[in-house]
Amino acid sequence: AQTVTQSQPEMSVQEAETVTLSCTYDTSESNYYLFWYKQPPSRQMILVIRQEAYKQQNATENRFSVNFQKAAKSFSLKISDSQLGDTAMYFCAFRGGTSYGKLTFGQGTILTVHP
Amino acid sequence: DGGITQSPKYLFRKEGQNVTLSCEQNLNHDAMYWYRQDPGQGLRLIYYSQIVNDFQKGDIAEGYSVSREKKESFPLTVTSAQKNPTAFYLCASNSQVGSEAFFGQGTRLTVV
Repeated sequence: AQTVTQSQPEMSVQEAETVTLSCTYDTSESNYYLFWYKQPPSRQMILVIRQEAYKQQNATENRFSVNFQKAAKSFSLKISDSQLGDTAMYFCAFRGGTSYGKLTFGQGTILTVHP
Repeated sequence: DGGITQSPKYLFRKEGQNVTLSCEQNLNHDAMYWYRQDPGQGLRLIYYSQIVNDFQKGDIAEGYSVSREKKESFPLTVTSAQKNPTAFYLCASNSQVGSEAFFGQGTRLTVV
């Protein structure tokens, strides 16, 4: 079974600065997908970024980028130029290549952006 | 607009009662999922369905039941056998070929 671990229960950052959220996972599969989801106070889950394991290039989406280290099974999220609207719970999630859409989630990291 | 609709947003249940949470999607997705979220924990999979009239247990299916009579609908029943039902419940869906899951806005269930 796959496991996903987020070792930072809470993080804080000043507006306009950069913050990195950590995620490690364990799997025996070679083909899989990794995701970061954002859950703001409204509790709506919003996809931030995704990474296919077969791609060596790290995914980027505007101010969000990942550092995907397949051998180390590490998948960190970097948020640049942090904004107040980035305040949310962030979840790292894993989906196996053969497990259709089932997601395994980490415990989450609460990120607070301070003005 | 396409999306996933969960209702109600808040639900209160007396101990010993069954309650049903609604989840409807108009994204034409084949697969649908139910997750439970507790404070300090990530989302845990309750049940999922990849096709109409078929569904499988997830990691924490005990005390829950589902049905999938229509592609658009995947209701979740929280039965009296669920010992600790107070939680936030999220429904999700994705297409057969897509890798991204889309989520509803959730239902907060409280046992009173």
